[in-house]
Amino acid sequence: QKEVEQDPGPLSVPEGAIVSLNCTYSNSAFQYFMWYRQYSRKGPELLMYTYSSGNKEDGRFTAQVDKSSKYISLFIRDSQPSDSATYLCAMKSTGFQKLVFGTGTRLLVSP
Amino acid sequence: EADIYQTPRYLVIGTGKKITLECSQTMGHDKMYWYQQDPGMELHLIHYSYGVNSTEKGDLSSESTVSRIRTEHFPLTLESARPSHTSQYLCASSESYKAGEYNEQFFGPGTRLTVL
Repeated sequence: QKEVEQDPGPLSVPEGAIVSLNCTYSNSAFQYFMWYRQYSRKGPELLMYTYSSGNKEDGRFTAQVDKSSKYISLFIRDSQPSDSATYLCAMKSTGFQKLVFGTGTRLLVSP
Repeated sequence: EADIYQTPRYLVIGTGKKITLECSQTMGHDKMYWYQQDPGMELHLIHYSYGVNSTEKGDLSSESTVSRIRTEHFPLTLESARPSHTSQYLCASSESYKAGEYNEQFFGPGTRLTVL
């Protein structure tokens, strides 16, 4: 069983929709939860991260962590065609920075 | 501008060739990493380095080798490329660990390697 599970998609939505991206995990030691965005033929770039449980908001993006359910989410409000990319969740425990990634969800936002 | 660079971006070579994938960063980061990424699969850590003269193997077994002679440079070498090495290789770097913080890993654009 993989430590981190993520639906690969693709997820297709119209412009303006609210998008929900999710990951589940099995390792209760994970404390840091990250969302990376990767455009085609580019490296991943960090969108936001959350430490432990709770919510974090940054503009149109909201990250949620529910450690009791081992479930994390990224919400995108008012989605734009420029949001079309692959979204990777990543997690780590404290200490050395070994990240464990999900497979990524490909998001397509149509005008 | 502080950044992380990878060359070449694309490489198509024949079986048995020796290749070196270059990675350089101008951010002064101590830690550097190499990941392998295949379509529909998660990123797998294949090598990492804490600093100069430090190299470690990651989770995914790899026939490649790395070196860290200078802080800014972390090349990856395949002595004899095979079709099974066909993949996307991503280099990343981060600051040294700070308790209570996530030290962001900054990724390069990747090298897409095809071995015929």
